[in-house]
Amino acid sequence: DSGVTQTPKHLITATGQRVTLRCSPRSGDLSVYWYQQSLDQGLQFLIQYYNGEERAKGNILERFSAQQFPDLHSELNLSSLELGDSALYFCASKGASNTGELFFGEGSRLTVL
Amino acid sequence: GESVGLHLPTLSVQEGDNSIINCAYSNSASDYFIWYKQESGKGPQFIIDIRSNMDKRQGQRVTVLLNKTVKHLSLQIAATQPGDSAVYFCAETPGAGSYQLTFGKGTKLSVIP
Repeated sequence: DSGVTQTPKHLITATGQRVTLRCSPRSGDLSVYWYQQSLDQGLQFLIQYYNGEERAKGNILERFSAQQFPDLHSELNLSSLELGDSALYFCASKGASNTGELFFGEGSRLTVL
Repeated sequence: GESVGLHLPTLSVQEGDNSIINCAYSNSASDYFIWYKQESGKGPQFIIDIRSNMDKRQGQRVTVLLNKTVKHLSLQIAATQPGDSAVYFCAETPGAGSYQLTFGKGTKLSVIP
């Protein structure tokens, strides 16, 4: 158990819809990262938050947005969903160490029909 | 463009043998490399890391080798066990203090009992 909690574990929705994925980082971790894992693109970095502020953006679509709340949990919002958005979405948190050890949750599997 | 990739998509080894998983990277400015393991249905899990000023680092049953001349990274697993069956990813970071990981495509390791 990594200590990172993601909900929901599975989500099935239709094209054009909007969903919100939630992440609770490990206790005390200020950094939250979102990654998308698909068969064709592999694991791709989407966005990073640190203590409520956006720190870095990766390959995140404009239809996607995220935020980190004062209690440090984070949400990833996906809107105007397309078939190609079907993927596993991982949240990871990081402590204060100077290593690249990210603690990943078990992911939210999104299926867009 | 800059990328991190793997030579082999699958690798099968006999239990007890040593495993070697390879990774090529193209960004000569990459400063820090990490290996992650992803078991079925779980998020990636940190295994071992190495900085660009090193060429070898050892952990428990694992060794990472870095050859900067040919931009090649490898993960060696000694006495491979059934529990080592997973997908292994190498990842790089764009620079010191940055942990937005760029992951390779992954190698699936299957251990034959």
